[in-house]
Amino acid sequence: QVQLQESGPGLVKPSETLSLTCTVSGGSISSYYWSWIRQPAGKGLEWIGRIYTSGSTNYNPSLKSRVTMSVDTSKNQFSLKLSSVTAADTAVYYCARAKYYDFWSGYYFDYWGQGTLVTVSS
Amino acid sequence: SSELTQDPAVSVALGQTVRITCQGDSLRSYYASWYQLKPGQAPVLVIYGKNNRPSGIPDRFSDSSSGNTASLTITGAQAEDEADYYCNSRDSSGNHQFFGTGTKVTVL
Repeated sequence: QVQLQESGPGLVKPSETLSLTCTVSGGSISSYYWSWIRQPAGKGLEWIGRIYTSGSTNYNPSLKSRVTMSVDTSKNQFSLKLSSVTAADTAVYYCARAKYYDFWSGYYFDYWGQGTLVTVSS
Repeated sequence: SSELTQDPAVSVALGQTVRITCQGDSLRSYYASWYQLKPGQAPVLVIYGKNNRPSGIPDRFSDSSSGNTASLTITGAQAEDEADYYCNSRDSSGNHQFFGTGTKVTVL
């Protein structure tokens, strides 16, 4: 059974960079897309972006200028960096595996982490 | 367009049927996937592709689509189905995904 676990600071100061890592266990990180998704308190889910194990990335256009994702296949980990954060970036951040189904469906998220709350505050 | 609109909240009596809708231009071309969120728990995939349920998801969950609308139906809702539900779809490039606004389901 594949399991994902987010880790990183729970508190980040405004204007600084949020950094999170997702560790994948129970399966190989290879040959999949891996995504970051967030949910601000009281609001809906927002897709942040995804990274393939080759390092190829796609980002949400609304966050693209501030997002960087990376992958370390030797550690079965992938990471998120979000720069110049503000209070609006306070949210529960999830990592998830994106699995391709077909052209008409694209990708779906079959395994998720429990989520980690990141608060942006001075 | 990358917008998917859902009703904010719906309620259903225990054992009855509830339909959760998701509207958006992308759904004219692509299928949605559906996710169940409960407080403090990891989100759960309930439907993907054309009405496919992952292993462990009860067959009371099903979906359908027509025009620009995808619908998740819970037939014989149980107390444990009380949760927030989100649809998700791809854009035309296939490089981006986006979630619906979410629906809170209350089982009475």
